Amino acid sequence: DAMVIQNPRYQVTQFGKPVTLSCSQTLNHNVMYWYQQKSSQAPKLLFHYYDKDFNNEADTPDNFQSRRPNTSFCFLDIRSPGLGDAAMYLCATSTGTRLDTQYFGPGTRLTVL
Amino acid sequence: EDQVTQSPEALRLQEGESSSLNCSYTVSGLRGLFWYRQDPGKGPEFLFTLYSAGEEKEKERLKATLTKKESFLHITAPKPEDSATYLCAVENSGYALNFGKGTSLLVTP
Repeated sequence: DAMVIQNPRYQVTQFGKPVTLSCSQTLNHNVMYWYQQKSSQAPKLLFHYYDKDFNNEADTPDNFQSRRPNTSFCFLDIRSPGLGDAAMYLCATSTGTRLDTQYFGPGTRLTVL
Repeated sequence: EDQVTQSPEALRLQEGESSSLNCSYTVSGLRGLFWYRQDPGKGPEFLFTLYSAGEEKEKERLKATLTKKESFLHITAPKPEDSATYLCAVENSGYALNFGKGTSLLVTP
């Protein structure tokens, strides 16, 4: 089945220690997104790639970076995680055509000690 | 600023007790309204997209409707496996989805 895969499902890091989360897709979609979802809150878009074009949301902290080396993979780098960065990180994809649907992966739960 | 408000925040139903979840929105230039289901510790699962006022879509026990200011997710004769958080999101321009906080639904046997 075509799908969005996130690894790892659970990540524990220490305060200030860089961490990288991974997302891959077999849907061959043009657009890949990263959302942050804190407990009992709505998912919040951090940034997205349309092909190789990077689009950062205005209020996304500089501590968050992303890389998309090819169509299938996208990475979220947190350079110096703080306690407030503990959250579920969701990757989603879409075709990029008008009125298309975003399909989400299972998420990575990040814990910062 | 675009806003999406979902109510109630939490809803507890007996199995078979039908009800509706509400999603009200203020957005300039609505392109689409999306409903997702999210189980604990998992990513949102797509349910429906509605594009224009008056549109309705159904899937098993769920029916979504759309007006110019709000959307309803009607749940008919729910079962315990329908327990989840239901998220509403709107897309105005660009690619961003603006999500509500969700309604946490618990269906008891």
